[in-house]
Amino acid sequence: GAGVSQTPSNKVTEKGKYVELRCDPISGHTALYWYRQSLGQGPEFLIYFQGTGAADDSGLPNDRFFAVRPEGSVSTLKIQRTERGDSAVYLCASSSGLAGGIEQFFGPGTRLTVL
Amino acid sequence: SQQGEEDPQALSIQEGENATMNCSYKTSINNLQWYRQNSGRGLVHLILIRSNEREKHSGRLRVTLDTSKKSSSLLITASRAADTASYFCATAGSNYKLTFGKGTLLTVNP
Repeated sequence: GAGVSQTPSNKVTEKGKYVELRCDPISGHTALYWYRQSLGQGPEFLIYFQGTGAADDSGLPNDRFFAVRPEGSVSTLKIQRTERGDSAVYLCASSSGLAGGIEQFFGPGTRLTVL
Repeated sequence: SQQGEEDPQALSIQEGENATMNCSYKTSINNLQWYRQNSGRGLVHLILIRSNEREKHSGRLRVTLDTSKKSSSLLITASRAADTASYFCATAGSNYKLTFGKGTLLTVNP
């Protein structure tokens, strides 16, 4: 596609449930990033993939969060035992290579609401 | 944790006026980028300025960078109602991470 796409656009779940958020990066982009944005804040880094491997997952808040990118394209962010504090907009971005100096292209985000 | 801090938090101006937003950061950077966000969703990249650059222009946008003061400014000239959005600065070090500030909410009144 022309840009980064994310599905679903909105997800409402109950506390304790498991959710998966999907990101389709721009075709050919080797780097993929997940960010989380809480209300009134800027995006915060979660995890970065270069190809299929998670090069840096230091931003994941705890072990309930996990992300995969098995074929080096689509990525899925997985959240187990969701908590109300997980409610936020989850943003995915991709770039053609290392981000130092390279623009990141963002998707529209998935708004997660945990009741 | 957030690296940058935008100032002001909110700015309201009339169409045709100029808007200036400032960003301060704490650690050394490779480059600084400005993004726009409408309605709390996807971010749009506006401009990137490298640490060895002092000023950059793109259309109605002008960005300055002062690495000695660890600060940057974004100037939007001849603002339009369509410029209404949140504006974020993001810093990138020698690695790949973008660290965003909290943003400035700009409202341009017709």
